[in-house]
Amino acid sequence: EPEVTQTPSHQVTQMGQEVILRCVPISNHLYFYWYRQILGQKVEFLVSFYNNEISEKSEIFDDQFSVERPDGSNFTLKIRSTKLEDSAMYFCASKSQGAVEKLFFGSGTQLSVL
Amino acid sequence: GNSVTQMEGPVTLSEEAFLTINCTYTATGYPSLFWYVQYPGEGLQLLLKATKADDKGSNKGFEATYRKETTSFHLEKGSVQVSDSAVYFCALKVDAGNMLTFGGGTRLMVKP
Repeated sequence: EPEVTQTPSHQVTQMGQEVILRCVPISNHLYFYWYRQILGQKVEFLVSFYNNEISEKSEIFDDQFSVERPDGSNFTLKIRSTKLEDSAMYFCASKSQGAVEKLFFGSGTQLSVL
Repeated sequence: GNSVTQMEGPVTLSEEAFLTINCTYTATGYPSLFWYVQYPGEGLQLLLKATKADDKGSNKGFEATYRKETTSFHLEKGSVQVSDSAVYFCALKVDAGNMLTFGGGTRLMVKP
């Protein structure tokens, strides 16, 4: 079965540094998402992206966050100036035009901000 | 707002035992309900879903029935296997939006 690929699997950074989390969605998918899960807490929606623009975002997704689809395959999440509370597992997901609800998730990037 | 509450884990069972993982929800409107599963080292995978009251979702021996009267979507399996060891997430989605609201996840450990 096709899968969503995320890199790196672990990222350690210093507070205040910029990080870019990378995702390669399934090739014919058109909708892209980022979710995150802080240790011991719920999986939270961050942002959805369709047709080269953000279609929906949560309160968490403030000005420090941005997403980009720089080419035909990658979908990135950038955090401009990381904070301790950004430490979490970040999940990328994608779905095709026809799949009303079936999201395919990547295995996640564990971000640790020191 | 929308929220999902599921039982805290870990849930530890012996092989062939009966499994129930409770999930209740609060939602505006009429949500669709989902169970996702995350096996070690992998991403979340859709396990089953139900889109309206009294619907039963089923897959791989797992079942869950959409109970509007109790706002619940409990996950059940009659006989668990070691390979079912994973984290299970209950989730909902309302209207035409793309946002899934997840519960906190329940880790299931099945011992041989």
